[in-house]
Amino acid sequence: QKEVEQNSGPLSVPEGAIASLNCTYSDRGSQSFFWYRQYSGKSPELIMFIYSNGDKEDGRFTAQLNKASQYVSLLIRDSQPSDSATYLCAVRYNTDKLIFGTGTRLQVFP
Amino acid sequence: EAGVAQSPRYKIIEKRQSVAFWCNPISGHATLYWYQQILGQGPKLLIQFQNNGVVDDSQLPKDRFSAERLKGVDSTLKIQPAKLEDSAVYLCASSADRANEKLFFGSGTQLSVL
Repeated sequence: QKEVEQNSGPLSVPEGAIASLNCTYSDRGSQSFFWYRQYSGKSPELIMFIYSNGDKEDGRFTAQLNKASQYVSLLIRDSQPSDSATYLCAVRYNTDKLIFGTGTRLQVFP
Repeated sequence: EAGVAQSPRYKIIEKRQSVAFWCNPISGHATLYWYQQILGQGPKLLIQFQNNGVVDDSQLPKDRFSAERLKGVDSTLKIQPAKLEDSAVYLCASSADRANEKLFFGSGTQLSVL
């Protein structure tokens, strides 16, 4: 059973701080890794994807991948109240199936 | 560019009744997905279509759920008969093809089974 695990939170950070969201996955055959953001009552939207070990930066967001440790993280710099949402980690396996974690709820307070 | 369209937005039924959801993907998108999202959980893939063929339906409860994608465009997901544990948001998503990493989600159908 391929699994993607996240801490459900909530993770509370003050405005302007760095939010660090973590995700582990069970299958070493995983090929691509995604972070989706889901606002309450809304659908998920893709914010980052990463394929290779290391860091990938896009604006205030940085995705980090460590395949040896089967670990992927998302850093949000200069967190804003508008970043308050649930962040879903998703992993794509060889079979094309995209498996989501349960999500981490982030709260950014002013 | 129009997004993924889903209807209805909300549905309330009693257990053992049947229900159907409709999805119209982004024009030209070959791959269509149906996900079930129970409150507090991540989306779970029910079925994935490539054009009008099924790629993966390993987590679809086939004794009560069925889905089709006629002509490789619109898709319907049906539940018959519904159970209490089917209460969830049903999300439809599409992507340009199986190799395209970006999924676009519709607004979902919130189903309540009483």
